[in-house]
Amino acid sequence: AQSVTQLGSHVSVSEGALVLLRCNYSSSVPPYLFWYVQYPNQGLQLLLKYTSAATLVKGINGFEAEFKKSETSFHLTKPSAHMSDAAEYFCAVIGTGGFKTIFGAGTRLFVKA
Amino acid sequence: EAQVTQNPRYLITVTGKKLTVTCSQNMNHEYMSWYRQDPGLGLRQIYYSMNVEVTDKGDVPEGYKVSRKEKRNFPLILESPSPNQTSLYFCASNLRGSYNEQFFGPGTRLTVL
Repeated sequence: AQSVTQLGSHVSVSEGALVLLRCNYSSSVPPYLFWYVQYPNQGLQLLLKYTSAATLVKGINGFEAEFKKSETSFHLTKPSAHMSDAAEYFCAVIGTGGFKTIFGAGTRLFVKA
Repeated sequence: EAQVTQNPRYLITVTGKKLTVTCSQNMNHEYMSWYRQDPGLGLRQIYYSMNVEVTDKGDVPEGYKVSRKEKRNFPLILESPSPNQTSLYFCASNLRGSYNEQFFGPGTRLTVL
């Protein structure tokens, strides 16, 4: 069965520093992988998705993620954090049959001035 | 504006009093889902629907019902709410195809006393 593990429930970085949010997945088939962001008091919105077209995926707001099959990872990065990046980030994988999305527990990103 | 709407946004109720949370999307999406979000657990799928009159259980369906009589609407019904159903609920929709991003509603915060 597919599953997603996000390492670190909270990550704190300084403004301008590198953002690295970790996601490892388990899937018996080539996966579809997603990163979503949730700003306070809002629903989730898509940051980026991997659908096997390219291993390095660029998303909105300067984020990108690299699919590494050998490590079963899909870590999210951003070279320089901005205060507006403070939010909760969810990694997700499509489950068996293609109808279910399985979300990780989420990582809350704090950005210090 | 393309969107998913949910009502109510906030609800406080008592154990055993039936309630319905409505969800509507204006994007002509085939797929719709309900999730609950709890701290440390991420989002867990309650029910999903692939099309009108086609629904299936997600990971945590106990205590919930859904119906899909029209393509745009996907209400969530709690026939006898209990305190362990206190949570933040999200409705989402997407086009047919597991690689398509989901669009989320703004959430409904439910408290069951």
